[in-house]
Amino acid sequence: SAVISQKPSRDICQRGTSLTIQCQVDSQVTMMFWYRQQPGQSLTLIATANQGSEATYESGFVIDKFPISRPNLTFSTLTVSNMSPEDSSIYLCSVGGLAGIIDEQFFGPGTRLTVL
Amino acid sequence: GENVEQHPSTLSVQEGDSAVIKCTYSDSASNYFPWYKQELGKRPQLIIDIRSNVGEKKDQRIAVTLNKTAKHFSLHITETQPEDSAVYFCAASRGAGGFKTIFGAGTRLFVKA
Repeated sequence: SAVISQKPSRDICQRGTSLTIQCQVDSQVTMMFWYRQQPGQSLTLIATANQGSEATYESGFVIDKFPISRPNLTFSTLTVSNMSPEDSSIYLCSVGGLAGIIDEQFFGPGTRLTVL
Repeated sequence: GENVEQHPSTLSVQEGDSAVIKCTYSDSASNYFPWYKQELGKRPQLIIDIRSNVGEKKDQRIAVTLNKTAKHFSLHITETQPEDSAVYFCAASRGAGGFKTIFGAGTRLFVKA
């Protein structure tokens, strides 16, 4: 499996500010995704990060709030914009398509975000 | 929309006993069913998966079964150990045919020593 890293690992932010989370993989992957996990809850897909084009967002998530970039096959960013305390959560990137196996999905270590 | 239901939400077993977690899915086009283990403060880890052309798969103390007709799949852990204590998530996806993974709500497993 690949090494997936995220930066920052955690942050405490003020209401109204924005935070950009980076996800780096040590090998090229076909698919990259961004999830949110509230404390004690399951994983909710925010969007699929598409290389070279706009991300595909799930219902309830919009580009203005969660802009995503994916400039190449190993890197993606998620920005949480104009934050409020309700955005406090763990944000996880995940990747798929390692070694040509399209459906297996692996997760990064997550970014724990607290908004005051 | 697509849905994955997972039961039970909490499971407590004695060390050495077996644990079974069950999931049902709604999307009949789903063909890939992974299971993840998430320890406290850690990332979800893929522990085993099964594809729709297989009815059962085993890896040491862990086994998964799939009943496509009933849209049921289950995780079986035998000879449980305290280190098996974690939250387990089932999931279903269409794989390469329209990749989107739907996760169950999770099962918190406690293995008592």
